[in-house]
Amino acid sequence: GAGVSQTPSNKVTEKGKYVELRCDPISGHTALYWYRQSLGQGPEFLIYFQGTGAADDSGLPNDRFFAVRPEGSVSTLKIQRTERGDSAVYLCASSPGTSVWDTQYFGPGTRLTVL
Amino acid sequence: GESVGLHLPTLSVQEGDNSIINCAYSNSASDYFIWYKQESGKGPQFIIDIRSNMDKRQGQRVTVLLNKTVKHLSLQIAATQPGDSAVYFCARLGGYGGSQGNLIFGKGTKLSVKP
Repeated sequence: GAGVSQTPSNKVTEKGKYVELRCDPISGHTALYWYRQSLGQGPEFLIYFQGTGAADDSGLPNDRFFAVRPEGSVSTLKIQRTERGDSAVYLCASSPGTSVWDTQYFGPGTRLTVL
Repeated sequence: GESVGLHLPTLSVQEGDNSIINCAYSNSASDYFIWYKQESGKGPQFIIDIRSNMDKRQGQRVTVLLNKTVKHLSLQIAATQPGDSAVYFCARLGGYGGSQGNLIFGKGTKLSVKP
């Protein structure tokens, strides 16, 4: 079956611009996670959705970052007034959502470059 | 703060040899650990997991060992193949005792397999 998909695969933007990154989770998965991965580092948690609601957004670095999941499926990560430090690979993962021990399946990521 | 880290950043092995990748953790309340494999340009891929009520768990060519006394876990790959070349991350669940669904990753070990 289809895995987690993310679009675009690459995004280049200028400092100060607004960007949206999209995640399509595995069908039927109610839990959705966003992580950010800087070069040479492990992924860092940003936000977790259970259904339509953000169950934990403690990883969002500041109020320029926002994410939505209005229908409990596709999620969009929004970054306002981008900064060069926002450059990273943004990963999305989904899981069935029945337990915290459910395996998280990752998408290929969106590589964001802020010039 | 809580952390999951790795002893070695790189590991080079000969094809056919066994590989051992190590990971130390600091949170004694951690009760669920996961190993992920990440190939270049791809998202992390689940390999194997282990709960704290176990010392060892085996999969196909992989074994994870957990030593709670010294807060250490390892991933053993038998008969390493060129396709095993990747960065390997250990991760644990966030929150006290793994109460949260987000994953906390270590920095990763890059495994290179020489033909």
